[in-house]
Parts: sequence; structure tokens; C-alpha cells
Amino acid sequence: GENVEQHPSTLSVQEGDSAVIKCTYSDSASNYFPWYKQELGKRPQLIIDIRSNVGEKKDQRIAVTLNKTAKHFSLHITETQPEDSAVYFCAAHGGSYIPTFGRGTSLIVHP
Amino acid sequence: EAGVTQSPTHLIKTRGQQATLRCSPISGHTSVYWYQQALGLGLQFLLWYDEGEERNRGNFPPRFSGRQFPNYSSELNVNALELEDSALYLCASSQSTDTQYFGPGTRLTVL
Repeated sequence: GENVEQHPSTLSVQEGDSAVIKCTYSDSASNYFPWYKQELGKRPQLIIDIRSNVGEKKDQRIAVTLNKTAKHFSLHITETQPEDSAVYFCAAHGGSYIPTFGRGTSLIVHP
Repeated sequence: EAGVTQSPTHLIKTRGQQATLRCSPISGHTSVYWYQQALGLGLQFLLWYDEGEERNRGNFPPRFSGRQFPNYSSELNVNALELEDSALYLCASSQSTDTQYFGPGTRLTVL
């Protein structure tokens, strides 16, 4: 089955800095890669996603890149703000239609 | 548009009891996924229902079961509760096999 590794588990940055979270996957049939943000006590919310026929996607301060050959994808957040502090999860949807999630990255943005 | 709803918000049970958790998907969504989110373990896939049928299940014992009703709402049942079943149980709905939208979760505590 699919295996998704996510790094780092914790990321601490100063307000205004950039943050990068990386995920690798194992199933070459995976074709959809969403990223979720989960604030403390709240539900995971989709913030950006990318499909396997696209290499990069951007939405304001958030971007995701996908390298199918290396089987990894990354979330980039620029100009971080304290409200970006949350746990971020990556996921990979493979041939089984069941997403496999990474273990999450706790992002802390210091004012 | 109403989002995914779950009930109850919190549930406290004792070992050996049974728990029933409920989920209502977004209108028009036919797929419902159940996940367990235990502390530090990310999201673990439990069950997937689509059009009233169980399509796939994760690596959990048979005492975790559920069903999907004709209106696409779903129920998760956990029998013979164990202490390690304490977790946040999240439901997600989808119109297809990719983008999922999560409910607020049910916090299950087993004493």
C-alpha cells in the first residue's frame, strides 16, 4: 500500500519568514495530493491541492510543488503570519481511492 | 451550503461498552470516509462508504463497523471499547474519489 512520509514534524519560524514542508510517497499510481491545515480543536481544512499532471500550483502565499519522478511534493508558505500556526497534513490518493496521510507538521510562527 | 456535520461532539464511555458516532455529508456527496486521529498518529483511515456500500476498510479490528443510509449519512459503531480507542473520530465526505471535506469530529473518551 501507499506510504507517506512527512518532514519536519515541527517547524518554528519567525513572522515573515518562509516555511517549507515536504512529503514523499511510495505508490507511483498516486495522482492527487491535497494539503490540509488543522488548527487546535478544529477540523482539517483543505488549503491547496495538486494533481499529477501539474508541477506547481500557487494560491496567494501558499504554493505546492510536485516531483513525480522523485515521488515527493512540498508545501511552501511565504511571509508567514501568526495565524498560519497550525498542524499541516499532506496526503496522497492512490489507485485504491483511499488517501494516505502524513503524520503532520506542527508549524509555529513567532510574532 | 452546509458543511459536514457530526454528532455527538463529545462521548464518554467505559471499557467494554459500545459507541455510536454519526455523520451527515455535504448535500450531493455520496462518499463518506471515517478516520481515527489519535494523539501524535495523524489520520488513520477506518472505513469508506459510497452509495450505501462499504468500499474499503483500514487496518482496524472488526469491532469497528458502520453503515451508510439511503440519505448518505453514516454511522460508525465501535464495540467492546478499549482504552486505546480514545481519539478524535473524523468523518469526511466527497463527491468523487479525491477532494474530501471534513466534519468537526467526535471526541471519544474511554475510561
